[in-house]
Amino acid sequence: EIVMTQSPATLSVSPGERATLSCRASQSVSSSVAWYQQKPGQAPRLLIYRASTRATGVPARFSGSGSGTEFTLTISSLRSEDFALYYCHHYDNWPPGWTFGQGTKVEIK
Amino acid sequence: EVQLVETGGGLTQPGRSLRLSCEASGFTVSSNFMTWVRQAPGKGLEWVSVIHYGESTDYADSVKGRFTISRDRSKNTLYLQMNSLRAEDTAVYYCATCSEGYMGLWGKGTTVTVSS
Repeated sequence: EIVMTQSPATLSVSPGERATLSCRASQSVSSSVAWYQQKPGQAPRLLIYRASTRATGVPARFSGSGSGTEFTLTISSLRSEDFALYYCHHYDNWPPGWTFGQGTKVEIK
Repeated sequence: EVQLVETGGGLTQPGRSLRLSCEASGFTVSSNFMTWVRQAPGKGLEWVSVIHYGESTDYADSVKGRFTISRDRSKNTLYLQMNSLRAEDTAVYYCATCSEGYMGLWGKGTTVTVSS
């Protein structure tokens, strides 16, 4: 099973600042990585797929990068609605043993 | 409006069964790969099962042999039959589309509690 490790567990950021979230795969997953945002009591929402493609309706301040084993989600200028949990997810192998990272909580500093 | 609505969750005892439903609107369930993902209380996301275009299915090891994913084209609905439930199956269960493998559209989820 491929393990996805996110860091940090919690990121304290002031509104307007940049947030950089990391996700490391235990083995190469090519560019088959997605990022999701989850707010309390809500379902996850797709932000990024194929490591760097923004989903429909996702603001341009969200960007993804990486390939192989190292991936990054960057929020260029945090807004109040961006404080949430973020999960990375690999979907490289088929049949799937798809796994998610443990999540990074972005909180207000 | 394109959406997924899960139903069927509830409180049940260990060893019992539940069937979750996920009704789609605005698109056809049979034209998509569809998946179930769960989230235990206070925990992260765990992929559970997927059904492919050709009706072949795959499961996480934690549910293999106990859960069955299926869909009904006439009702445009995805199902998850859960048998031999355990306390560790307690979670919010989400259905989602999964083109290429990433989960594009999610339902709001339904809560399953397994407790004696």
